[in-house]
Amino acid sequence: SQQGEEDPQALSIQEGENATMNCSYKTSINNLQWYRQNSGRGLVHLILIRSNEREKHSGRLRVTLDTSKKSSSLLITASRAADTASYFCATGGYTGANSKLTFGKGITLSVRP
Amino acid sequence: DAGITQSPRHKVTETGTPVTLRCHQTENHRYMYWYRQDPGHGLRLIHYSYGVKDTDKGEVSDGYSVSRSKTEDFLLTLESATSSQTSVYFCAISGTGSNEKLFFGSGTQLSVL
Repeated sequence: SQQGEEDPQALSIQEGENATMNCSYKTSINNLQWYRQNSGRGLVHLILIRSNEREKHSGRLRVTLDTSKKSSSLLITASRAADTASYFCATGGYTGANSKLTFGKGITLSVRP
Repeated sequence: DAGITQSPRHKVTETGTPVTLRCHQTENHRYMYWYRQDPGHGLRLIHYSYGVKDTDKGEVSDGYSVSRSKTEDFLLTLESATSSQTSVYFCAISGTGSNEKLFFGSGTQLSVL
């Protein structure tokens, strides 16, 4: 079963606007990650935030984590047409040395030129 | 794609035939994973490996087997392909930990007729 659930399922914005995507999860996590997937390609890692962190930045990306609400958000600022892709959150648990990432179903982001 | 090669990239096969997908990495990473991606389901883990000859099941392992005889190669076998195994299969690797950052291959589109 999937741990993370992204919201909304689809998002369409104008170039230059900000895009906010959310992820909720159910059990305690070690870290939460965001990935991007362009059409017909593999997933690409964007950012990882650990359970003891609240916010992290990478270029135009800002990720927040609220462990009390079991939720995370990914903000893409000043969006570009090239940001059009699917975005996935993935959670890493504490279930031992060989715990695995669990992915959500993804958010489809369309950025209109 | 971080030194990961999946082969074949596309395959069409018939129900009941065995199929083997190959994942080859040049990063010397310890962890290797096989995921399948289906509309409405996101990415689901099939099997993973935490070292040579060390493998374990994921959440959708029925009908699949894996082998890892060398660090660089991770094979996924569909013992008797069914139409429900029509999917896009992704290999991923991680060197830093089993629930840390993943690098993905470009995927294999498998159609079972």
